[in-house]
Amino acid sequence: DAGVIQSPRHEVTEMGQEVTLRCKPISGHDYLFWYRQTMMRGLELLIYFNNNVPIDDSGMPEDRFSAKMPNASFSTLKIQPSEPRDSAVYFCASSLVKIGTEAFFGQGTRLTVV
Amino acid sequence: AQKITQTQPGMFVQEKEAVTLDCTYDTSDQSYGLFWYKQPSSGEMIFLIYQGSYDEQNATEGRYSLNFQKARKSANLVISASQLGDSAMYFCAMSSSGAGGTSYGKLTFGQGTILTVHP
Repeated sequence: DAGVIQSPRHEVTEMGQEVTLRCKPISGHDYLFWYRQTMMRGLELLIYFNNNVPIDDSGMPEDRFSAKMPNASFSTLKIQPSEPRDSAVYFCASSLVKIGTEAFFGQGTRLTVV
Repeated sequence: AQKITQTQPGMFVQEKEAVTLDCTYDTSDQSYGLFWYKQPSSGEMIFLIYQGSYDEQNATEGRYSLNFQKARKSANLVISASQLGDSAMYFCAMSSSGAGGTSYGKLTFGQGTILTVHP
């Protein structure tokens, strides 16, 4: 398996524009997570899915953020409209339900909003 | 709610020496898992080691071992024989576990410790 695949790797956009981040989890994994990493706040869990169903979105900062998982092999995180304070590295990760198995992370998307 | 605390923003170690990175946690769950991840300057998150709350033995993976002290709620990472390539950010994380061998999946991370290995 190629691991968790995120696209794009880098995104630069202007304030007010819509941004869509994409993630393909590892086949067969039950959980999918979206994390955001910043210097100030570290790694924050934004939302996670179990079998394509959103379980906990309490980490989504504002209504400008939305996430979907239309099927087991694809998820998106959308920011509309984007703001400079959204600049961060966004990680997608996936894991199994089984205890003791780690979450596998994608390479991350570095988002810069100017 | 779960909380992970890493009190060492930065640590320095001489090559070939051992180093301990501290992690304390707080949870009301009886069953949980503890993880350590490494993030080098390239940015990817690399899984290092896992410890289950009911595991009686401390976990080991090559040069990595986890010093698990349940009563003190600590899960320190020990890296033996440090190498220059060990220089990175290290994160401690935990997840809750349910009955029947299932994981609730949600990982809570600490703030991380930057480890620098000197030659």
